[in-house]
Amino acid sequence: EAQVTQNPRYLITVTGKKLTVTCSQNMNHEYMSWYRQDPGLGLRQIYYSMNVEVTDKGDVPEGYKVSRKEKRNFPLILESPSPNQTSLYFCASSLGWGNQPQHFGDGTRLSIL
Amino acid sequence: AQSVTQLDSQVPVFEEAPVELRCNYSSSVSVYLFWYVQYPNQGLQLLLKYLSGSTLVESINGFEAEFNKSQTSFHLRKPSVHISDTAEYFCAVSVRKTSYDKVIFGPGTSLSVIP
Repeated sequence: EAQVTQNPRYLITVTGKKLTVTCSQNMNHEYMSWYRQDPGLGLRQIYYSMNVEVTDKGDVPEGYKVSRKEKRNFPLILESPSPNQTSLYFCASSLGWGNQPQHFGDGTRLSIL
Repeated sequence: AQSVTQLDSQVPVFEEAPVELRCNYSSSVSVYLFWYVQYPNQGLQLLLKYLSGSTLVESINGFEAEFNKSQTSFHLRKPSVHISDTAEYFCAVSVRKTSYDKVIFGPGTSLSVIP
């Protein structure tokens, strides 16, 4: 089954404690992206990757890091989480970009206390 | 800067009634247009897309959307809604940037179908 898998689905942690949200896709997609979803703001792109070892900032990259060492994985790293990073996070992948629809994971709800 | 507007944050509608969810975008270049649906505790799923050709596009579950270039709109419609259509709906626009196509999402419209 084609899917994008995120882990964990839920996490409550404290300010400053490094955390990683994993994302894996089994569709051999080149393009992957991370979004955060906040009420009234829709989805805002954090980082994206066009292929292995090719990543770039989206609209709200501050406080986040990513890596793309393998085509299937695109982890999101919060080195020193803060309460304003409390949000619902989605990983997405697509065959290309532009005219290709994105496939989304089920989301990770992070609460930073 | 490009943007996507969904004028209605919440739309309550009775079951079997018609519904229209509005989407307008601002862009001076050609775009691709998408509607995604998000059911509770799930990720977004593609509902339908406009890439080129016929300006009226349809989904398998009865939704349709019409691309209107002059009004820069891509409104979503369904003639008769079901309880199962209760969800959050996002309009998205893909815009050509210098080296890649950027996807911009609207803020979403929450559709509540009332029995």
